[in-house]
Amino acid sequence: DAMVIQNPRYQVTQFGKPVTLSCSQTLNHNVMYWYQQKSSQAPKLLFHYYDKDFNNEADTPDNFQSRRPNTSFCFLDIRSPGLGDAAMYLCATSRDRGTGGEQYFGPGTRLTVT
Amino acid sequence: DQQVKQNSPSLSVQEGRISILNCDYTNSMFDYFLWYKKYPAEGPTFLISISSIKDKNEDGRFTVFLNKSAKHLSLHIVPSQPGDSAVYFCAASRPYSGAGSYQLTFGKGTKLSVIP
Repeated sequence: DAMVIQNPRYQVTQFGKPVTLSCSQTLNHNVMYWYQQKSSQAPKLLFHYYDKDFNNEADTPDNFQSRRPNTSFCFLDIRSPGLGDAAMYLCATSRDRGTGGEQYFGPGTRLTVT
Repeated sequence: DQQVKQNSPSLSVQEGRISILNCDYTNSMFDYFLWYKKYPAEGPTFLISISSIKDKNEDGRFTVFLNKSAKHLSLHIVPSQPGDSAVYFCAASRPYSGAGSYQLTFGKGTKLSVIP
């Protein structure tokens, strides 16, 4: 089945220790997105890749970076996690010019910062 | 400033009855509206969408209504089933300029509980 996979599902890191979250997709979609969702809040877009073009949201902190080495994989790097970065991180994909912006989400990685 | 609002954090409905989930938005530039369903420990799953040029879209038990003048949309589920119990997110989309990608703005979600 075509899908969006996120690893790990749960990640614990220490305050200030860099961490990388991984996303892969078998849908062959051009676009990959990273969202942050805190408890009882709306998912918030951090950035996205359209093919190799990186698009950062204006209010995404510099602490968050991303890499997309190929169509299938995209990584979220948090350089120095703070306690406020504890959240669910969702990866999503969409087709180029897909109808209405429909996005396909992975199951998420829950990040805990100790 | 929330551009997409779901004012009801939770909703309980009896099995077989209609569930109505509401969503309000503030930005007239959105061109599509989508509903996503989320079960615990899973990512959001696309449910149904509507173009801003339409006022109704139906898919089986799910119907979305759009009132542009009121900047309001609603999702109707009829009849409601226990398996519909989940968190429902309303989202509004607009394309990034010159690109084939879309920006989705989400509401905070409404937790629907369908009681058998």
